[in-house]
Amino acid sequence: NAGVMQNPRHLVRRRGQEARLRCSPMKGHSHVYWYRQLPEEGLKFMVYLQKENIIDESGMPKERFSAEFPKEGPSILRIQQVVRGDSAAYFCASSLTTAGAPGNSPLHFGNGTRLTVT
Amino acid sequence: LAKTTQPISMDSYEGQEVNITCSHNNIATNDYITWYQQFPSQGPRFIIQGYKTKVTNEVASLFIPADRKSSTLSLPRVSLSDTAVYYCLVADNNAGNMLTFGGGTRLMVKP
Repeated sequence: NAGVMQNPRHLVRRRGQEARLRCSPMKGHSHVYWYRQLPEEGLKFMVYLQKENIIDESGMPKERFSAEFPKEGPSILRIQQVVRGDSAAYFCASSLTTAGAPGNSPLHFGNGTRLTVT
Repeated sequence: LAKTTQPISMDSYEGQEVNITCSHNNIATNDYITWYQQFPSQGPRFIIQGYKTKVTNEVASLFIPADRKSSTLSLPRVSLSDTAVYYCLVADNNAGNMLTFGGGTRLMVKP
């Protein structure tokens, strides 16, 4: 049973370009979370999605960032017109039920996409 | 949101028991406490989860006092491969299921 798959593992973009990060959740999981991690720092929540719905995007910058989780296919985190400050590791996680609910299932993380903006 | 506080770093030696304590003073009634482990260049990995008292699995134990304002992750007989960052996570059901990671504890296990 494959875990959470993220691609690409490494992505280099020049300032002003677009970055598209993909995440395929574990089989049967319909809850997807995106986190960002700067070097030597903890993970910061960005957005929580269920199939075709954004449930909570309070941690995601209002401009240039967007996320989707279509009915078919992986979840996509899209960063338009990247700047150097966007350089970070972006982690996707999935869960079977709503994480945090009583009797919940824990988050399963992918190994991240490391974005470098030059 | 239930905020967590952990020591920034800890050192230990192989074979010792390591206890990492996390403070979460404003934990809510329905919140669960979950610990994750993260190695460099990898995503966090679930270790253990609990609500109250004590939980034990093949990897670790989790001790939660009656007031639930703190929790302690206990790693028995650590090895070099346990060197990692450990995150205490308190699930918050009142904020769109947004899960808040603390700063983590960087554990260094020495030979």
